[in-house]
Amino acid sequence: GAGVSQTPSNKVTEKGKYVELRCDPISGHTALYWYRQSLGQGPEFLIYFQGTGAADDSGLPNDRFFAVRPEGSVSTLKIQRTERGDSAVYLCASSSWGVRNTEAFFGQGTRLTVV
Amino acid sequence: GQNIDQPTEMTATEGAIVQINCTYQTSGFNGLFWYQQHAGEAPTFLSYNVLDGLEEKGRFSSFLSRSKGYSYLLLKELQMKDSASYLCAVKGGSQGNLIFGKGTKLSVKP
Repeated sequence: GAGVSQTPSNKVTEKGKYVELRCDPISGHTALYWYRQSLGQGPEFLIYFQGTGAADDSGLPNDRFFAVRPEGSVSTLKIQRTERGDSAVYLCASSSWGVRNTEAFFGQGTRLTVV
Repeated sequence: GQNIDQPTEMTATEGAIVQINCTYQTSGFNGLFWYQQHAGEAPTFLSYNVLDGLEEKGRFSSFLSRSKGYSYLLLKELQMKDSASYLCAVKGGSQGNLIFGKGTKLSVKP
C-alpha cells in the first residue's frame, strides 16, 4: 500500500475484554515496530519484527500482550484481559530491510480506550 | 540499559533559531533519527545521522557526536507551524531496534 495502515482507528472496549489491533505495513518493508504512546509522552517501544520473527519483544509490558506477523507482512497486536491502564494510542511503523539508514514510516495509530 | 534524554518543553519566537538537545546511552548504535509529531498525528521523519558531524536539510539541521552520546536538532527561521513535539530516536543493537525519547514539545510564539 501507499503507507502504513492501522485498523481500527479508534477502539473502545470494556475492562477485561480481548482486543486485536491490526497493522498493514508498506509493501516490501521487512521491519515492523509496535509502540504505545500516552498523551504528552514519546512512543514507548513494545515489539520489533524482522520478517516473521520477533527480533525484540522486550517492550511488551506483561503476558497479556502478544503480537504476531505470520506471513511477514500484516501484524496483529493482541491484548487480553484489558485494563484501564492499557488506554493509549498504539502506533505501528515499518521500514525497509537494513540496520542503518532506513527511516521508519508510521501509521496514524489506533486509539484504544478501556472503560 | 537504554536511555534517551531530551528537554520536556521549549518555547521560541517566530523567526528565531532553536536548538533541541538529545543525549543517549544505548546498547549498540546504528544511527540517530529526529522525528516531528504534531498533536494528534503520527510522527514524521526529519533527519538521520550515523557519522559525527552536521547534516543540513533546509531550515533543519541535525548534529551528532558519537563519543559524547549527543545530538541536537537545529531549527532556523522558526514558523508557527513548527510548533510540535520533536522526538529523538536511536537505532541500537545488532537487530536495528528503534527506541524513542519522550519528546520535546516546542511552542513557537509570534
